[in-house]
Amino acid sequence: KAGVTQTPRYLIKTRGQQVTLSCSPISGHRSVSWYQQTPGQGLQFLFEYFSETQRNKGNFPGRFSGRQFSNSRSEMNVSTLELGDSALYLCASSSGLAGAHLAKNIQYFGAGTRLSVL
Amino acid sequence: GESVGLHLPTLSVQEGDNSIINCAYSNSASDYFIWYKQESGKGPQFIIDIRSNMDKRQGQRVTVLLNKTVKHLSLQIAATQPGDSAVYFCAENLPSGGSNYKLTFGKGTLLTVNP
Repeated sequence: KAGVTQTPRYLIKTRGQQVTLSCSPISGHRSVSWYQQTPGQGLQFLFEYFSETQRNKGNFPGRFSGRQFSNSRSEMNVSTLELGDSALYLCASSSGLAGAHLAKNIQYFGAGTRLSVL
Repeated sequence: GESVGLHLPTLSVQEGDNSIINCAYSNSASDYFIWYKQESGKGPQFIIDIRSNMDKRQGQRVTVLLNKTVKHLSLQIAATQPGDSAVYFCAENLPSGGSNYKLTFGKGTLLTVNP
């Protein structure tokens, strides 16, 4: 079974631009979560999508948004990029079983997209 | 702020030794914990998990210990190998009703295994 696929692997943008990152979850997984990883802040939760709906959200500004398609693939968008947005953006998928404990919804991560904002 | 933290940012061990990576958490309501391993250039990889109703769980060469009294978690790796060199993260789950949950990650410990 193929793992979580994130594209592109690397991106270079300039301040003020916007960017869209893509994530294809493991086949059969319906939940996709996004995380930002930086040396200073570590892994921080952005949001989670399940069945095309945002189910959970972290503490990031509205410039960070996402969506999920009917095939469970997800995109994340960052508008008006700032230098501080430079990070590794990770996507994780899980079965997302409704009402089931997280222990039955282990998250599997992709390799990430490395975003550099100049 | 972060409710999950790590005591040691780096750990260097000799091949064959046992490794212990520690993690503190601050929220007594956390009911589930996971250890992830992240190798250079890769995403975090699930290692082992433990629920708060347990105090120990063993996997292949790894053991996780949970001490709820002092809100402390540790990952023990037996007979550490060069392939174990990576950053290790602990993560805690705070239940928020229904299927809503959010994993909070610690900042990670870099484990270096010397041959």
